[in-house]
Amino acid sequence: ETGVTQTPRHLVMGMTNKKSLKCEQHLGHNAMYWYKQSAKKPLELMFVYNFKEQTENNSVPSRFSPECPNSSHLFLHLHTLQPEDSALYLCASSQETDDNSPLHFGNGTRLTVT
Amino acid sequence: AQSVSQHNHHVILSEAASLELGCNYSYGGTVNLFWYVQYPGQHLQLLLKYFSGDPLVKGIKGFEAEFIKSKFSFNLRKPSVQWSDTAEYFCAVTPTGGFKTIFGAGTRLFVKA
Repeated sequence: ETGVTQTPRHLVMGMTNKKSLKCEQHLGHNAMYWYKQSAKKPLELMFVYNFKEQTENNSVPSRFSPECPNSSHLFLHLHTLQPEDSALYLCASSQETDDNSPLHFGNGTRLTVT
Repeated sequence: AQSVSQHNHHVILSEAASLELGCNYSYGGTVNLFWYVQYPGQHLQLLLKYFSGDPLVKGIKGFEAEFIKSKFSFNLRKPSVQWSDTAEYFCAVTPTGGFKTIFGAGTRLFVKA
């Protein structure tokens, strides 16, 4: 049990589809993150939210749209994706966005874009 | 640009062998350092962390890491690995005062029983 739950675990979508990834954390943390994990590449930070406010957008294409309605929930809305967007998308949370707080990860959503 | 380099992508060891996984980072300021582990089918989880003080830090399951500031390194070690240590290991760095954790590409460790 990670304390960070991601749904769905697997998602296959066409390039014209619209879908959303969901993340929920049960740890009482104030910061939430989206990371992209591609094969043989370092984890790439996509977005950071601290107390529901977006504090980082790491030059992510607009076809990825995050939403953070409260400190416990984080969404990633997807539309008109490309095949190269296929990857494992990881949600993480931490107590705060300071350097002393380690990240707690979910199991990820394996996304395949066809 | 800040980056984290892990020297080996794949490591294969026999049980009881000693392990050392290399990690170097490029950043001019002070940093906090982490090692995360991902066991097969499980989520990424914290193995150990360094913020300040003794540069030799101990984590779970007998792992330790040493921060050598002059070498910008934070190598992970374990004197005697077990089959259950088979996993992928990620080194990560967060600049002090920041929130942007930078990860290495990971090292896949396979321990033969």
